[in-house]
Formats: sequence, C-alpha cells, structure tokens
Amino acid sequence: KAGVTQTPRYLIKTRGQQVTLSCSPISGHRSVSWYQQTPGQGLQFLFEYFSETQRNKGNFPGRFSGRQFSNSRSEMNVSTLELGDSALYLCASRPGTGVSEAFFGQGTRLTVV
Amino acid sequence: AQKITQTQPGMFVQEKEAVTLDCTYDTSDPSYGLFWYKQPSSGEMIFLIYQGSYDQQNATEGRYSLNFQKARKSANLVISASQLGDSAMYFCAMREGLTSGSRLTFGEGTQLTVNP
Repeated sequence: KAGVTQTPRYLIKTRGQQVTLSCSPISGHRSVSWYQQTPGQGLQFLFEYFSETQRNKGNFPGRFSGRQFSNSRSEMNVSTLELGDSALYLCASRPGTGVSEAFFGQGTRLTVV
Repeated sequence: AQKITQTQPGMFVQEKEAVTLDCTYDTSDPSYGLFWYKQPSSGEMIFLIYQGSYDQQNATEGRYSLNFQKARKSANLVISASQLGDSAMYFCAMREGLTSGSRLTFGEGTQLTVNP
C-alpha cells in the first residue's frame, strides 16, 4: 500500500508569489490534515479536510487555504508569500473515523526568498 | 497554556541502554488520545505508539512502551535497547475529544542521540 505522497519535495519562491502544495493520502483515507513546522513555532496545525469539506482549522491567516478533491487528494495554497512562511509543510492522512493514528508524508520544504 | 510539554530539548543515551522521554499534557476533555512520533532528519513523521485516555493498560509496541500516568497527566515514552537508528527528534502529540477530527497538538520535541 503506497504511503502519503507530497509534491514537490522542495520549493523556492519569492516574496509576494503564491504556491500550491499537493498531498495524495493513503488509498481509502478520507481525512487529510496539513501542518507547518518551523524551528521557532514547532509543529502547528493548519487545517483538515474530510470528504471534501474543511472539518477543522488552525489559527493561520486567510492567505493559507486548502481544498480536497473527490479522490481525497488535497492541495494547500499560500498566497502573497512572506519570508516567515519558509517551513516544512507536512500532510497527514487518516481513515477519518475512529482512533487510528495519522500517517505523514515526507513533507514539502518551502523556502521563501 | 501549553497543551503538550516536553521538557527535554535533548537527550543522550548509550547504545543498548533504555531511555525515557518525558511528556506531560493538559486537557479538560475526558476523551483524548496520546501519540508519539519519530522524525528523522529526512523530515517524515513516523508513528510509534498510541495511548487512549480510557485504556487501562500501558501501550507497548516492540521496543517502545508508553508510561501512562493519567492522574499526573503524563505519557512518557520508554525506548528499550536503544539503537543507533533511534537517533532522531521525538514528538509527543494529543488529539482531544471525539469531535476534534484529526487535529493533533504537538509538543516541542526531544532530540535523542544514541551514542555507540
């Protein structure tokens, strides 16, 4: 069974640009969550999508948005990039119900210059 | 207030010895789950072990065990017989309630170094 796949693995963008990151969950998983990891703030929850609906949202500005498609693949978008958006963005998938653990992808490392 | 606290920024252990990584948590929800993840330098978060708030017994998974003390709100990870490959960052995380979906709250992590 394939794991969680995130693309691209590395990305360099310029301030003011926008970026889209992609996450393909484990087959059959309906929940996809996104996290931002930085040395200063640690791991912070961005949002969760379940069956194409945002089920939960963290405390991030509106520049951060996401969506989920009918095949459970998810994208997150960051508009008007700032230097502070440089981080490792991790995606996690779960079946969506029950107490199962979350399975994480390898992350996308975004550098904003 | 911090919901998950890991007080050990770094820990060192000799190969083949046991090590305990500390984690305390704070929640008013009676239903919650506690998780430990390992993050090697590659970045991927690897699930290690889970403990539910209603579980009567401490969770064990191979060389990993979770010392769950509910009254003290602690969920320490014990790694037995440490291996060089155990060197990584370790995160304690919590999922609260039955309606919080998949949201995990993480601690700041503990960097474990296993010495030969």
